[in-house]
Amino acid sequence: GAVVSQHPSWVICKSGTSVKIECRSLDFQATTMFWYRQFPKQSLMLMATSNEGSKATYEQGVEKDKFLINHASLTLSTLTVTSAHPEDSSFYICSARGPEGETQYFGPGTRLLVL
Amino acid sequence: QKEVEQDPGPLSVPEGAIVSLNCTYSNSAFQYFMWYRQYSRKGPELLMYTYSSGNKEDGRFTAQVDKSSKYISLFIRDSQPSDSATYLCATGSQGGSEKLVFGKGTKLTVNP
Repeated sequence: GAVVSQHPSWVICKSGTSVKIECRSLDFQATTMFWYRQFPKQSLMLMATSNEGSKATYEQGVEKDKFLINHASLTLSTLTVTSAHPEDSSFYICSARGPEGETQYFGPGTRLLVL
Repeated sequence: QKEVEQDPGPLSVPEGAIVSLNCTYSNSAFQYFMWYRQYSRKGPELLMYTYSSGNKEDGRFTAQVDKSSKYISLFIRDSQPSDSATYLCATGSQGGSEKLVFGKGTKLTVNP
């Protein structure tokens, strides 16, 4: 149980385009999802907390107009990287708050490369 | 002082060894503790989850929490090459922020 999927698993795009990443909880409902990014050999960096039906809460230094988050249902949150630039290239990972309430279950991640 | 400190390693052990991974934390409000395993280019996988001080065992893995000294450990018995990964400790507080606080991760290599 507690499986989280992400799509796509990797994406290459040109600078200036927008990219949407989907995060789904497959076998449980998640009122809260989280979006992280991870640079090589570094730990997870929380970008934002997404609550179903309300606006996301962004961490300090994360541009909310650049990283648009939509949590429209109890099983789906999306992250859209708008006008992507090479410095946005990273590994983006979502997680969903588990049925137990405190744990987070992670998706497999999406590798983004902006050319 | 960072909220969660974890030695990044790298840690290299022979197959069959007992591995000890450790974290310390500074905030007494932290009440639940987790260990995640992350393989290269994958999302973290939840290994262990515990609330209380003491030991929790699951197969070859034992999570140990000492709230009095703010110290958490993960022990891996009979380590296997497939255990080679980065291990992250995480903690959070009940009734507080929903965010987890992660250690930086310890990279483990188990050599056959």
